[in-house]
Amino acid sequence: GAVVSQHPSRVICKSGTSVKIECRSLDFQATTMFWYRQFPKQSLMLMATSNEGSKATYEQGVEKDKFLINHASLTLSTLTVTSAHPEDSSFYICSARGEDTQYFGPGTRLTVL
Amino acid sequence: GQQLNQSPQSMFIQEGEDVSMNCTSSSIFNTWLWYKQDPGEGPVLLIALYKAGELTSNGRLTAQFGITRKDSFLNISASIPSDVGIYFCAGLKSSSGYALNFGKGTSLLVTP
Repeated sequence: GAVVSQHPSRVICKSGTSVKIECRSLDFQATTMFWYRQFPKQSLMLMATSNEGSKATYEQGVEKDKFLINHASLTLSTLTVTSAHPEDSSFYICSARGEDTQYFGPGTRLTVL
Repeated sequence: GQQLNQSPQSMFIQEGEDVSMNCTSSSIFNTWLWYKQDPGEGPVLLIALYKAGELTSNGRLTAQFGITRKDSFLNISASIPSDVGIYFCAGLKSSSGYALNFGKGTSLLVTP
């Protein structure tokens, strides 16, 4: 199956700093990638849809200036959490669109102190 | 996006038992997907269903795409301890930019 990687897998940062998370499709090209957020014991919540070469589409209630998304190539999308606060602590998961399905990365655990 | 109705919320079974879980929706989907998520990891695709009525197997797993295109079920036969995890159903509509609508998940615990 298709492989999607995420980096870093775990990050701890101080409040007020910015954190960048990378999502890569390793063996296929993905014109569309998705970013999700997951709280403990809950389902995945779609944050935004990232399209290569164009602006991301954000879900209602997700601040685009806080969660910056860049999809610069067909294999890489980045999510930057700007001026992170403790309430941004969560599990962030990306996925890449394959043929009529989505393949997920392993997730990034963000802890903001 | 719309959240799917997934049941049961949790299951606690003995090794060797069969398991069944299902998802329903008020709207039609083009594709139904079943994922398994282990703690601290991303979801892993188990089965993808593309046609109404389609019945697909992957080892001990069997899933079906409902005729009405508004539901799907997943069966696990002869469960083993490594089946433990959270199972999510997801529906996909090409008309909505290929974003997934997820169920709330079924937490499966298997005792030896």
